[in-house]
Amino acid sequence: AQSVTQLDSHVSVSEGTPVLLRCNYSSSYSPSLFWYVQHPNKGLQLLLKYTSAATLVKGINGFEAEFKKSETSFHLTKPSAHMSDAAEYFCVVSDRTDKLIFGTGTRLQVFP
Amino acid sequence: DTAVSQTPKYLVTQMGNDKSIKCEQNLGHDTMYWYKQDSKKFLKIMFSYNNKELIINETVPNRFSPKSPDKAHLNLHINSLELGDSAVYFCASSAGLAGGPGETQYFGPGTRLLVL
Repeated sequence: AQSVTQLDSHVSVSEGTPVLLRCNYSSSYSPSLFWYVQHPNKGLQLLLKYTSAATLVKGINGFEAEFKKSETSFHLTKPSAHMSDAAEYFCVVSDRTDKLIFGTGTRLQVFP
Repeated sequence: DTAVSQTPKYLVTQMGNDKSIKCEQNLGHDTMYWYKQDSKKFLKIMFSYNNKELIINETVPNRFSPKSPDKAHLNLHINSLELGDSAVYFCASSAGLAGGPGETQYFGPGTRLLVL
């Protein structure tokens, strides 16, 4: 069965510093992986996805993630945090039926 | 021109009532989904429909009944509401199973249900 583990429930950074949100996955086959963002009281927006093409995936708003099969990881990074990045981030794996399996989320706080 | 829309945005009701949440997508997608997000922000799929046919039903109480009148709409009807049903319910859509795993799902804004 597929699953994802988000290693940090909360991450706090200062504006202008790098962001790292960690995610490990478990899958019996080559997975499809996603990062979604949820701003307070809003819906979910796709940041980026990996579907067995390039292992370094670039998304919106300057985010990127690298698929590392040897480490079963799909960490999300951004070189310089902005106040507007404060939100809940979900690492997600898709099974063969298109069912999305969500991680428990990481709340990103950005301090001025 | 919202891609995936839900109504109502907020729903406050008493225990035991029956309520419906509506979802519409204008993306021409074949597959639609319902997800439940609990108070700890955990999201879990409830149902998915492909071309009006039920594909996924995740051990959801039979008080929850999805209805898909056409492939652009997937409504969620809930009978005999319970306190534990309080959550945010998200509708989503994707191009369909034909796209294979990895198809992007587009989410609606959510319906915040509070059962008193």
